[in-house]
Amino acid sequence: DTEVTQTPKHLVMGMTNKKSLKCEQHMGHRAMYWYKQKAKKPPELMFVYSYEKLSINESVPSRFSPECPNSSLLNLHLHALQPEDSALYLCASSQGTALGNTEAFFGQGTRLTVV
Amino acid sequence: ELKVEQNPLFLSMQEGKNYTIYCNYSTTSDRLYWYRQDPGKSLESLFVLLSNGAVKQEGRLMASLDTKARLSTLHITAAVHDLSATYFCAVLNYEYYGGSQGNLIFGKGTKLSVKP
Repeated sequence: DTEVTQTPKHLVMGMTNKKSLKCEQHMGHRAMYWYKQKAKKPPELMFVYSYEKLSINESVPSRFSPECPNSSLLNLHLHALQPEDSALYLCASSQGTALGNTEAFFGQGTRLTVV
Repeated sequence: ELKVEQNPLFLSMQEGKNYTIYCNYSTTSDRLYWYRQDPGKSLESLFVLLSNGAVKQEGRLMASLDTKARLSTLHITAAVHDLSATYFCAVLNYEYYGGSQGNLIFGKGTKLSVKP
């Protein structure tokens, strides 16, 4: 099973809403990532969790709050977002981080629209 | 700061023709990845290149890595319409984080269109 599952696939939310994106993998990977991808742009890293601890935060605004409840799950809590936050949010996982084969497997993404 | 440059950014090909996409990166790294993305879809892993001189082939696609030149190529042989997509190269950057944590830095992507 080389699958990373993201829910929901699509999300429309108002600027005052609170919502969460979910990501799950059962490959035993110990690193999990959130990327943001705007249209016609490459993915940009937001957060990295390594062994369930936040190891990288790429200066992401606090309206995005990641959470890693266990080694298989990664959440992204959203609050008071802006229309410019509309994008495809991609979750990825990899077995390792800096060493070895760190091929990252990506989920199908959540298409987020903030209105 | 690690920079990854792909070229061309747009490529319109005729079916049956060959072409090469180039990926240059600015600092040392021995981990390079190629991904395919269809419109509105996620990233599909194509190749993982882990050492200098690595060459991998899958169907009509062949990827290679020259770590000394900091260059990877994705060669397309006898293109078919099904190959139309955006192709990203990504380089693992772990020096920036002190060697204990890695991050993938993506190129801007090459949008490939294969026409009959």
